[in-house]
Amino acid sequence: DTAVSQTPKYLVTQMGNDKSIKCEQNLGHDTMYWYKQDSKKFLKIMFSYNNKELIINETVPNRFSPKSPDKAHLNLHINSLELGDSAVYFCASSQGASVSTDTQYFGPGTRLTVL
Amino acid sequence: GQNIDQPTEMTATEGAIVQINCTYQTSGFNGLFWYQQHAGEAPTFLSYNVLDGLEEKGRFSSFLSRSKGYSYLLLKELQMKDSASYLCAVLNDYKLSFGAGTTVTVRA
Repeated sequence: DTAVSQTPKYLVTQMGNDKSIKCEQNLGHDTMYWYKQDSKKFLKIMFSYNNKELIINETVPNRFSPKSPDKAHLNLHINSLELGDSAVYFCASSQGASVSTDTQYFGPGTRLTVL
Repeated sequence: GQNIDQPTEMTATEGAIVQINCTYQTSGFNGLFWYQQHAGEAPTFLSYNVLDGLEEKGRFSSFLSRSKGYSYLLLKELQMKDSASYLCAVLNDYKLSFGAGTTVTVRA
C-alpha cells in the first residue's frame, strides 16, 4: 500500500518533447506538492495544490503545468523539454491546508533525463 | 528567501554519535524539519521543531534555537543503515525550503 506513488520512476526523452509525470496519494491528504531535486541535491518547491486549487507557484517556467483532477492526484506536464530539466522530481502530500505545519510525505521520485 | 547551511559530509563509526548542524536565516519562521534520504529514494520525515529545545525520538534527537537560527540533529548508536543524506528544511511563510543535505557515512 504505497502512500504517495509516482509514475514513471525513470523517464528518458529527447529535447523538445512533451512529457507527463503522474502522482497519486491514498492518504486522504488535502495538499499536494511538486519538488525538483537537481544534481546538487537541492530540493526546491515548484507547486502546491490544496483541494485542486493552486496555492504555491514558485518561479518555474510556464513550460511546466501542473494539473489536479481531484485532491488525490497531482500530475506534472512539461512542454518543450530542455537539458536543464534533467533532475529527480518528487511529489509530496500533507494532511491539512498548505498554510500549515503538517508533515509532508514524499513519493519515490521520477528521474527525468533529457538527451 | 532564506539561507540554510549544513555540512556537506560527515563520517562516523558504527555505534558512535554524530551531530549534524544546520543554520538558517529566514523571516516568518513556522518550524524546522529534518528528513532522511537514502540514495535514490524519497526523503522520509524524521523530526519537526517549532519551539526551542530538544525533541528526542529513539536514537534520533533534534534541537532548535530560534534566536540563534540554529538546529542540530543528533544520531546516537549509529548503525550502518543510518548512512544517508540528512536534509534540514525550514518552513518559511508556510513554504518548505531545504538545505543541500549532509551525507553521513557510517563505517564499521
